[in-house]
Amino acid sequence: ETGVTQSPTHLIKTRGQQVTLRCSSQSGHNTVSWYQQALGQGPQFIFQYYREEENGRGNFPPRFSGLQFPNYSSELNVNALELDDSALYLCASSPRLAGNEQFFGPGTRLTVL
Amino acid sequence: QKEVEQNSGPLSVPEGAIASLNCTYSDRGSQSFFWYRQYSGKSPELIMSIYSNGDKEDGRFTAQLNKASQYVSLLIRDSQPSDSATYLCAVNFSGNTGKLIFGQGTTLQVKP
Repeated sequence: ETGVTQSPTHLIKTRGQQVTLRCSSQSGHNTVSWYQQALGQGPQFIFQYYREEENGRGNFPPRFSGLQFPNYSSELNVNALELDDSALYLCASSPRLAGNEQFFGPGTRLTVL
Repeated sequence: QKEVEQNSGPLSVPEGAIASLNCTYSDRGSQSFFWYRQYSGKSPELIMSIYSNGDKEDGRFTAQLNKASQYVSLLIRDSQPSDSATYLCAVNFSGNTGKLIFGQGTTLQVKP
């Protein structure tokens, strides 16, 4: 157990809907990163938050957005869901910014119908 | 395009053997390298990190880094059936963000 928690565990949505995924970082960690993992692929970086500011973004459209709160927990929001958004969404926390070990939560499995 | 390459496998080894997993990366300025283990249906679990050239050992696991060749490997000694999983190589490329680039993973099967 890494101490990183995510909710919900599973989610089913229909195309065009909006979804919010939540993550609580490990105690003492101020950096949260979000990844999308499609079946059979490695995780792909969506974005990272450090002290409530976005610090780096991957190749994802603006309908993917996020927040980090003062307690370092984080949300990932996805608008106008598409079928290809079906994936495992992973949150990872780390104690500092660059180059550090990242510890993953259990993930949220999103299915878009 | 910064890339991390792994052979997808499956790599099959008998119980008790040494499993060797390999990874190459494209950015010569990369500083941090990680190996994650992912069981089917679960999230990635960090098993090794390595930052400088050479070997780093932790129990049955040894990570090897060669920055000149842009190559990082993971050796698993005395492989057990419980080691059967997908192993993901991740690289933190140069820069001041913690963005990790992952390979697609190598599936390891350890046969009793």
